Amino acid sequence: AQSVTQLDSHVSVSEGTPVLLRCNYSSSYSPSLFWYVQHPNKGLQLLLKYTSAATLVKGINGFEAEFKKSETSFHLTKPSAHMSDAAEYFCVVPGGATNKLIFGTGTLLAVQP
Amino acid sequence: GAVVSQHPSRVICKSGTSVKIECRSLDFQATTMFWYRQFPKQSLMLMATSNEGSKATYEQGVEKDKFLINHASLTLSTLTVTSAHPEDSSFYICSARKTGLAEAFFGQGTRLTVV
Repeated sequence: AQSVTQLDSHVSVSEGTPVLLRCNYSSSYSPSLFWYVQHPNKGLQLLLKYTSAATLVKGINGFEAEFKKSETSFHLTKPSAHMSDAAEYFCVVPGGATNKLIFGTGTLLAVQP
Repeated sequence: GAVVSQHPSRVICKSGTSVKIECRSLDFQATTMFWYRQFPKQSLMLMATSNEGSKATYEQGVEKDKFLINHASLTLSTLTVTSAHPEDSSFYICSARKTGLAEAFFGQGTRLTVV
């Protein structure tokens, strides 16, 4: 069965410094993987997706993620944090034979001025 | 693009009344939509899968008589919280998937407060 683990529930960075949000996946095959962002009291917005093409995926707002099969990881990065990046981030994997999505527990990113 | 619109964004209702939340796919047809509930500072919890023209599939522990789902067209699914109680207060989010794409597109969410 597919699953994702987000290793940090909270991450705090200073504005202008790099962001790293960690996600490890478990799957019997090479899955699709997604990162979504949720601002307070809002729905989820797709940041980027990996679908077995290029392993380095670029998304919106300067975010990118690298699929590393050897490490079963799909960490989200951004070179320089902006105040507007403060939000909850979810690593997500499709649930295989079902239509469902499997969500990580989320990482709350705080950006300090 | 793929836009999912959810309405209302906020609703306050009295205990014992019913509330309907709408989820629309604006620029694509969605044979399947999903309804989630999100508690404060937690991840999304799938409540049910809404299938156009047939009965919804509910997750274990979700009361189907309390959370009525109707998916009467390829662009609209509704969730009705019946006989609402304060413990039903939560953030409800819908999503839909476009044919051929693995990712889902989410509505803006509905903050339900039952007083």
